[in-house]
This record gives sequence, structure tokens and C-alpha cells, in this order.
Amino acid sequence: KAGVTQTPRYLIKTRGQQVTLSCSPISGHRSVSWYQQTPGQGLQFLFEYFSETQRNKGNFPGRFSGRQFSNSRSEMNVSTLELGDSALYLCASSLEVSGNSPLHFGNGTRLTVT
Amino acid sequence: DQQVKQNSPSLSVQEGRISILNCDYTNSMFDYFLWYKKYPAEGPTFLISISSIKDKNEDGRFTVFLNKSAKHLSLHIVPSQPGDSAVYFCAAFESGGSYIPTFGRGTSLIVHP
Repeated sequence: KAGVTQTPRYLIKTRGQQVTLSCSPISGHRSVSWYQQTPGQGLQFLFEYFSETQRNKGNFPGRFSGRQFSNSRSEMNVSTLELGDSALYLCASSLEVSGNSPLHFGNGTRLTVT
Repeated sequence: DQQVKQNSPSLSVQEGRISILNCDYTNSMFDYFLWYKKYPAEGPTFLISISSIKDKNEDGRFTVFLNKSAKHLSLHIVPSQPGDSAVYFCAAFESGGSYIPTFGRGTSLIVHP
């Protein structure tokens, strides 16, 4: 069974640009959540989608947005990039909503903003 | 304010010995706890969990202990192996709430051969 796939693995963008990250969950998983990890920080929750609906949102500015498609694949978009957005962005899928079943993480997208 | 704290950024242990990773939390509503392991360039992988109705859960070499009164949990790895060298994240959530886990900042474990 294929794991969670995130593309691309690495991205370099300039301040002010926008970026879209993609996540394909494990087959059959309906919940997809996104996390930001920066050096010295834990995983900061961004948002969670279940059956194409955003269930929860973390404490991030509106520049961070996401969506989920009918096949459960999810995208995350960051507009007007800032230097502080440089981080590892992790996507996780679970069979049901987060908490009812363990999260399965992808290997992440490393975003560098210059 | 950090609701889940892993106060030791790193831990070094000899192969064969016990590794003890600690985690403290402040939110008394948290009732489900998980440990994840992360290797460099990979995403975290689920290791073991414990519900607040238990004070211990064991899975092979890994045991998690929960002390609700102290709001403290620990992960014991016995015996430690070099392949256990990774960053370990503690996570907690309130099952009657948003179900979103709150993660600690991680502890980097190095097991020396």
C-alpha cells in the first residue's frame, strides 16, 4: 500500500510569490491534515480536511489556505510568501478524523523563501 | 504558550541501555497521547499511544507511562538500539474536542554503539 505522497520535495521561492503544495493520502484515507515544522519548533497544525470540508484550522494567517478534492487529494496554498514561511510542510492522512486513528505522515515539502 | 513540552532537546544513550524520553503537558483536558518518531528527510511515524484511562502501554521494546496527576508522560525504550536514533515527538489531544493533536518540539535521541 503506497504511503502519503507529497510533491514537490523541495521548493525555492522568492518573497511575495505564492506556492501550492500537493498531498496524496493513503488509499482509503479520508482525512488530510497539514503541519508546519520550523527549526526548534514542534509540528504546528495548519488545517484538516475531511470529505472535502475543512474541519479545523490552526492559528495561521489567511495567506495559508487549502482544499481537498473528491479523491481525498489535498493542496495547500501560501500566498505572498514571507521569509518566515521557510519550513518543512508535512501532510498527514488518517482513516477517519484526526484522533480517531493515528496520523500517517508524508516525507514533507521543504520550502525555502529567499 | 506551549501546552506540550519536551524539555530535553537531546538525549544520548549507550546501545543496550534504557532510553527515557519525557513529556509534560499543561492542558488537563488532554486525554489521549501519542509518540511519533522522525528520521531526517522523512515524515514522522506513529510509534505508540496511550489513553488517559490507562497508566501504561507496552509494545515490544517501547513502553509509555502516563502520570495524570503530574501531567507527565514518558517513553521508555529498552534495550536501545542505534536504529532508534531519531527525533521523538510527543503529542496530545482532547478526544472530546477538536481531535487536533498538539505536538511538543521533539527530543533528538542518539544511541551510541
